[in-house]
Amino acid sequence: DTGVSQNPRHKITKRGQNVTFRCDPISEHNRLYWYRQTLGQGPEFLTYFQNEAQLEKSRLLSDRFSAERPKGSFSTLEIQRTEQGDSAMYLCASSQGTGTLYGYTFGSGTRLTVV
Amino acid sequence: GDSVTQMEGPVTLSEEAFLTINCTYTATGYPSLFWYVQYPGEGLQLLLKATKADDKGSNKGFEATYRKETTSFHLEKGSVQVSDSAVYFCALSEVYAGGTSYGKLTFGQGTILTVHP
Repeated sequence: DTGVSQNPRHKITKRGQNVTFRCDPISEHNRLYWYRQTLGQGPEFLTYFQNEAQLEKSRLLSDRFSAERPKGSFSTLEIQRTEQGDSAMYLCASSQGTGTLYGYTFGSGTRLTVV
Repeated sequence: GDSVTQMEGPVTLSEEAFLTINCTYTATGYPSLFWYVQYPGEGLQLLLKATKADDKGSNKGFEATYRKETTSFHLEKGSVQVSDSAVYFCALSEVYAGGTSYGKLTFGQGTILTVHP
């Protein structure tokens, strides 16, 4: 098991384009979380899945953002009609259960730059 | 809502100096508390955690005690090394009465630590 994997590591896109990121969690983890981290700030929660069900979405997740986790395995985060304000590091984390007992494992993130 | 406040950085120390990074929190339930570390170019790694009041989390010489009375979870290390240079994040995960937890983490803004030889 190589931990949580995120692809791509970096993405540069023009404003108005759509982008999709992928996260492969630790295989036995049933929960998967997406966070966004801007420069000089801590990560902010976006959404999470328990298996294939998306159970909570932050108000940060505008209608241009959509996340899926088909079959409860990998997850994708899509941003439509990107804006410069979307430039950030997008982090994925997974856990078995709530993570309060065993912690969460984070991926290295996808850095998005919108030009 | 839940929030975490960390001491402002950056923090610059000489090797073998004593480290304290302050963290205070606001929560409505009974949060679990965490310290995460982010080394340059790497993802967030769990450093230590505490799940109830008066618990002490410890790892790699770092310690933090869950203080409910002062709503704090300060990170300490007696003797820092150059390899400890990183960004440190305090975080909480809310646990409500009955043990329900949604699991999401609320992070502080992070504290940059630089240790010089």
